[in-house]
Amino acid sequence: QLQLQESGPGLVKPSETLSLSCTVSGGSISSSSYYWVWIRQPPGQGLEWIASISYSGDTYYNPSLKSRVTISVDTSKNQFSLKLSSVTAADTAVYYCARLPGLVGSFDYWGRGTLVTVSS
Amino acid sequence: QSVLTQPPSVSAAPGQRVTISCSGSSSNIGNNYVSWYQQFPGTAPKLLISENNKRPSGIPDRFSGSKSGTSATLGITGLQTGDEADYYCGTWDSSLSAWVFGGGTKLTVL
Repeated sequence: QLQLQESGPGLVKPSETLSLSCTVSGGSISSSSYYWVWIRQPPGQGLEWIASISYSGDTYYNPSLKSRVTISVDTSKNQFSLKLSSVTAADTAVYYCARLPGLVGSFDYWGRGTLVTVSS
Repeated sequence: QSVLTQPPSVSAAPGQRVTISCSGSSSNIGNNYVSWYQQFPGTAPKLLISENNKRPSGIPDRFSGSKSGTSATLGITGLQTGDEADYYCGTWDSSLSAWVFGGGTKLTVL
């Protein structure tokens, strides 16, 4: 059974860079059939797609976040990562990693999510 | 303001049927698959419906999806109190080159 697990600091200071990793177990991140995705959900609000990456490094970013976001994949560790720079309180959210079979498929496996709070 | 429009809330009695709508445009729902997600408080979303109307393994056939033009609908029959959750629609937007979601609908089973 595929499992995804987010990890990273739960508290980030304003103007700093948020860094998260997602470790994939029970399957290989190197499959050409899938994209790996970050999605976030501010407290009490809806879902917002952040970025997607294939095992080969093809990337897609939310236009509203593109200037601040970097998504990367490390096949040797079966992990992919997210960096979000110049964070503000508006970036406080639960961050989920997920699997996407094909760029326009559906998110079939999700991590449990990790809450990141932006505060000094 | 979400690209896809869902009603903020719907409600129905146990055993009844409810539908949740998701409205978009030709650049998203009109030309791409729609998926639906169920989310209980404090947990990750779970895939309910993929490719407009396909149920992943383990999803009861009480849940169904349909699409017509630039709108999609999630249907739930035989409502149970355990179905109380938030439901989100999502799809790829070809103009934005981005995944977009509806704002979510809170289902209350009275």
